[in-house]
Amino acid sequence: GNSVTQMEGPVTLSEEAFLTINCTYTATGYPSLFWYVQYPGEGLQLLLKATKADDKGSNKGFEATYRKETTSFHLEKGSVQVSDSAVYFCALWTGGGADGLTFGKGTHLIIQP
Amino acid sequence: DAGVIQSPRHEVTEMGQEVTLRCKPISGHDYLFWYRQTMMRGLELLIYFNNNVPIDDSGMPEDRFSAKMPNASFSTLKIQPSEPRDSAVYFCASRLSNTEAFFGQGTRLTVV
Repeated sequence: GNSVTQMEGPVTLSEEAFLTINCTYTATGYPSLFWYVQYPGEGLQLLLKATKADDKGSNKGFEATYRKETTSFHLEKGSVQVSDSAVYFCALWTGGGADGLTFGKGTHLIIQP
Repeated sequence: DAGVIQSPRHEVTEMGQEVTLRCKPISGHDYLFWYRQTMMRGLELLIYFNNNVPIDDSGMPEDRFSAKMPNASFSTLKIQPSEPRDSAVYFCASRLSNTEAFFGQGTRLTVV
């Protein structure tokens, strides 16, 4: 079956630090990959996505590259801000309308001023 | 569009009571999903609908849980009777075929 593994948190960084949140996946076929972000008390919002190998998704300074050879989709940001504090979820979807998203367990990111 | 709308935002109920969670998907979306989020298990897909028809309910934990979608603009998730271990945040999401899902703000359920 499909699964997503991401680093457990919390991850605590200082403002302007470099961020990497690791995500690896197991899936049948060729999934689409997503990062969702959940701010406190809110629902999940799509942060970025990539639908095929070597695609790079980017948004709000965050980036992630679909690496088929390593089955990974690591999230990166060059300089984090306090407002980036949230829970980040890596997810996959095998498409065709067959399934809901398969999520990782989420990584709680805390940015200190 | 106002996005996916869930109600109530918070629900506190006593063990044994019936709980009904509500969801209004984005207009025109043909898929609707119910997820449960807990610290221990993360986000779990409970059930999803396509064109108002339940497609996969294998994630529904027990017979105490049921979900309906009487029309394209409304869905309910019911727990009867509720138990403390049902305490979680329940999310509804909707999407068009082959697009990303949009999530509601969730209902935080506490069963005491």
